[in-house]
Amino acid sequence: DVKVTQSSRYLVKRTGEKVFLECVQDMDHENMFWYRQDPGLGLRLIYFSYDVKMKEKGDIPEGYSVSREKKERFSLILESASTNQTSMYLCASSRTGRGYTFGSGTRLTVV
Amino acid sequence: TQLLEQSPQFLSIQEGENLTVYCNSSSVFSSLQWYRQEPGEGPVLLVTVVTGGEVKKLKRLTFQFGDARKDSSLHITAAQPGDTGLYLCAGPPWGGNEKLTFGTGTRLTIIP
Repeated sequence: DVKVTQSSRYLVKRTGEKVFLECVQDMDHENMFWYRQDPGLGLRLIYFSYDVKMKEKGDIPEGYSVSREKKERFSLILESASTNQTSMYLCASSRTGRGYTFGSGTRLTVV
Repeated sequence: TQLLEQSPQFLSIQEGENLTVYCNSSSVFSSLQWYRQEPGEGPVLLVTVVTGGEVKKLKRLTFQFGDARKDSSLHITAAQPGDTGLYLCAGPPWGGNEKLTFGTGTRLTIIP
């Protein structure tokens, strides 16, 4: 089975901590994405990457950064976690012209 | 910003009934995708429609892409409890890149 694997299903972090969310895909997809999903707001794109070491801002990049050093891995970094970053974080990958494959999500709570 | 509005936002029906979910935009999309998301999981791709007017069937689910490529519908026949979930439409803008715009979602509950 092809997969997008997110490192944690649940995380609880303190305000001000630096948080790393890891995502790995085994499908050799060139495109990878980070979304957050909040009730009433739907899926909002944070960052995406078309290739190794390439990244582009999505709709809500403030407070986040990303790293893609290898094709299969796309990391989302919360530089200094805040309570308004409590959310469900979804990673996805795709081959150009095809639909997305999503991970199971990481539910992050910042206290 | 290209928006995809879905209706209804919430739908709760009895097992065995039929239903239709709509996905509408004022913008043209090169294709539209439908996803289903179950609680605590990521969305799963159901289908991609590419040609204006295209109809695709997936067992009891029928997907249609509007002739003008601005809207799509999902019809479920004889709904079953396993159809329960959040249904999302999504599409790349016409001439756009791989970045998808996602719809607002329809939360469907099928009552046994």
